[in-house]
Amino acid sequence: AQSVTQLGSHVSVSEGALVLLRCNYSSSVPPYLFWYVQYPNQGLQLLLKYTSAATLVKGINGFEAEFKKSETSFHLTKPSAHMSDAAEYFCAVSEGFKTIFGAGTRLFVKA
Amino acid sequence: DSGVTQTPKHLITATGQRVTLRCSPRSGDLSVYWYQQSLDQGLQFLIQYYNGEERAKGNILERFSAQQFPDLHSELNLSSLELGDSALYFCASSVEVGPTYEQYFGPGTRLTVT
Repeated sequence: AQSVTQLGSHVSVSEGALVLLRCNYSSSVPPYLFWYVQYPNQGLQLLLKYTSAATLVKGINGFEAEFKKSETSFHLTKPSAHMSDAAEYFCAVSEGFKTIFGAGTRLFVKA
Repeated sequence: DSGVTQTPKHLITATGQRVTLRCSPRSGDLSVYWYQQSLDQGLQFLIQYYNGEERAKGNILERFSAQQFPDLHSELNLSSLELGDSALYFCASSVEVGPTYEQYFGPGTRLTVT
């Protein structure tokens, strides 16, 4: 079965600093990978997705993620954090009709 | 606004009771998913429907059931409620089934069982 591991339940960065949220997956078939963001009191919304095209995927709000098959990773990055990026981020992998979500990483942004 | 609507927004009920959560997918989306989000369990996939048919089941308890109607809206029924069922319940929709399709999430229903 496919699974997703997000390293670090909480990440804190200063405003303007690099954001790096880690995600590792396990899959026996080519994976389809997603990053979603959840702002307080809201549902999840898609940031970006990888579906076996380009390995570097650009998403909304300046986020991007790189698919690295050799490392089974799909880490999310943003060059410069904004206060508005404070939220919970979920990595997910699709398995047939199901999407398996990681446990989430809460991002704190300090002024 | 994702286009997915869920009602009610909040629900407070007592143990042993039964509730129904409602979801309307985005216009044109045929697939509906239900998730439960709690602090200790994270985001758990419950069940998926496509055009009225059940397609996948996750960690859904036997006390829970769901259906998707001909107009594509879906309902999640929770019965014999326990304190541990208190959680956020999300509905999501996608245009099609398959691993490449992203899901659009509703704002959720917060269920509190007292």
